[in-house]
Amino acid sequence: SYELTQPHSVSVSPGQTARITCSGDALAKKYTFWYQQKSDQAPVLVISEDTRRPSGIPARFSGSSSGTVATLTISGAQVEDEADYYCFSTDSSGNLLVFGTGTKVSVL
Amino acid sequence: QVQLVESGGGVVQPGRSLRLSCSASGFNLLGYGMHWVRQAPGKGLEWVAVTWSHGSDNNYAESVKGRFTVSRDNSNNIFYLHMSGLRVEDTAVYFCARDQGLVHTDGMDVWGHGTTVIVS
Repeated sequence: SYELTQPHSVSVSPGQTARITCSGDALAKKYTFWYQQKSDQAPVLVISEDTRRPSGIPARFSGSSSGTVATLTISGAQVEDEADYYCFSTDSSGNLLVFGTGTKVSVL
Repeated sequence: QVQLVESGGGVVQPGRSLRLSCSASGFNLLGYGMHWVRQAPGKGLEWVAVTWSHGSDNNYAESVKGRFTVSRDNSNNIFYLHMSGLRVEDTAVYFCARDQGLVHTDGMDVWGHGTTVIVS
């Protein structure tokens, strides 16, 4: 099996920068996608292909990747950014897709 | 309006079968990859299965391989998840999601609201 590891939780004050990491052996060669899930809602794609921000996603969300670690950054976090965040990628074969373990972001 | 609506969830006994439906509107399923993703109570997201454009290639999570299959009804624009040999650990909210990619993931940009399956 293939695993993507994230920190369990991240806490920041409003206006500060939140960084969420995602570690996986295949990330050096495979894209990472990031999803935001607020309580009792369906997930929303916030970062595509490591760094691309879909239309409608605020510019404070950005992504990067270096080696086997991908990072989601929320610059100037807002209270409305409180949510669970999941990375998503594939194993080296490209056939097995997997979500990361998830990170709860608190902005308070 | 681009939309996905899941249905078919319910309470089922272990070992039994269930079919979930994902009805698409506002776009043609054939032009996209389609996924099933589930979330057990209080747990994280778990990818379950994908069918790529034209249904030529399907992939499954190890936890469901051999028990779950995906299919499409292209004429009615419906995506299915056929679940057999259900286990207590399959209890979850099941989401369907559209992938912008045709043969590999390019991001799941449209999601349904989910349907709940309880195996008990």
